[in-house]
Amino acid sequence: EPEVTQTPSHQVTQMGQEVILRCVPISNHLYFYWYRQILGQKVEFLVSFYNNEISEKSEIFDDQFSVERPDGSNFTLKIRSTKLEDSAMYFCASSLASGWGYTFGSGTRLTVV
Amino acid sequence: AQSVAQPEDQVNVAEGNPLTVKCTYSVSGNPYLFWYVQYPNRGLQFLLKYITGDNLVKGSYGFEAEFNKSQTSFHLKKPSALVSDSALYFCAVRAWSGTASKLTFGTGTRLQVTL
Repeated sequence: EPEVTQTPSHQVTQMGQEVILRCVPISNHLYFYWYRQILGQKVEFLVSFYNNEISEKSEIFDDQFSVERPDGSNFTLKIRSTKLEDSAMYFCASSLASGWGYTFGSGTRLTVV
Repeated sequence: AQSVAQPEDQVNVAEGNPLTVKCTYSVSGNPYLFWYVQYPNRGLQFLLKYITGDNLVKGSYGFEAEFNKSQTSFHLKKPSALVSDSALYFCAVRAWSGTASKLTFGTGTRLQVTL
């Protein structure tokens, strides 16, 4: 069964450093998403991406965050200058059609120290 | 704005007994409804979804959910619980619109199945 692949599974970074979280969505999917889950809390939407542009973003997704689909397969989330409160599990997801059959990756645990 | 409520932080059930994990939602228009399961240190695994049609939706691992429009509920059920069902369960909703749109998750319900 097709999977969404996320790398790395765990990343530790120092406060103020830039991080890039990588995702390979399912190959024929058209819609891409990032969500995050702070430890013990609910899963929160960050951003959705379609047709090479952001289609929706939450208030969490401020200027420190950016997304990119640099080639035909990867979808990345960049955090420009990490803060302690960015420590969370970040999930990538993709779907073939809007609102249809989201598939989530296994997540990247980001720890900011 | 769309929202999901999972009123129980934890549900405890004995193996072999039926289980119910509750979810109510609020959304403008017709909803898409989902259940996901999360095992420790793992990602979100899809269980089932309701888009349209039959109100009783069957999903993976013997789970099912019943969509009730009048009560705006989408409770997850299983006739006979297994210890291996112990995990964190999330209900999610999104509005039925033409553009890529976010899923809104509930706070999660921890299911504990004991022998």
